[in-house]
Amino acid sequence: EDKVVQSPLSLVVHEGDTVTLNCSYEVTNFRSLLWYKQEKKAPTFLFMLTSSGIEKKSGRLSSILDKKELFSILNITATQTGDSAIYLCAVSPLQGAQKLVFGQGTRLTINP
Amino acid sequence: DVKVTQSSRYLVKRTGEKVFLECVQDMDHENMFWYRQDPGLGLRLIYFSYDVKMKEKGDIPEGYSVSREKKERFSLILESASTNQTSMYLCASSLAGTVYGYTFGSGTRLTVV
Repeated sequence: EDKVVQSPLSLVVHEGDTVTLNCSYEVTNFRSLLWYKQEKKAPTFLFMLTSSGIEKKSGRLSSILDKKELFSILNITATQTGDSAIYLCAVSPLQGAQKLVFGQGTRLTINP
Repeated sequence: DVKVTQSSRYLVKRTGEKVFLECVQDMDHENMFWYRQDPGLGLRLIYFSYDVKMKEKGDIPEGYSVSREKKERFSLILESASTNQTSMYLCASSLAGTVYGYTFGSGTRLTVV
């Protein structure tokens, strides 16, 4: 059974801190891993990673995938209160293509 | 702006009622999905559809059914609502052959009393 595990489930930090969110997975015939940010409504897309070791970066957010060790991390530097959200990790297996298997999510709270 | 629209943001229903959750997308996407989201469990796939009149069970289909009569509309049906179906329901859509561009609706928070 395909499985995605995120840690920590909840994290509270102060504005300006750097955070690292973790995502490990067990998927038959891995195709890609995606990160989403969910504030009050719909999850919004952050990154998609398909190749190991390549860092995807957008402003203060970055993510890297390790296909050998089956995990990904999402880093946020110089955090702001607007980064408070649930961060979701999902993987797409080759079989049943186009479905996403999600982790539990990490609830990140940034205090001023 | 492309959209996935869910008909209700909040819904309260009684145990045993038949409940319809509607989802409409305007992106001409082939694929549509229904997930439920619960604290500590993340998003779990209920049903999905690759084409009109086509449906496949996800990981937790029990107690649910779906209907896709038109490409843009995907309905989730709770045949007889129960309290353990109280949850946030998220609809999503995507183009055939890709998970890139997977777009979510804003969700329907369903409470069954």
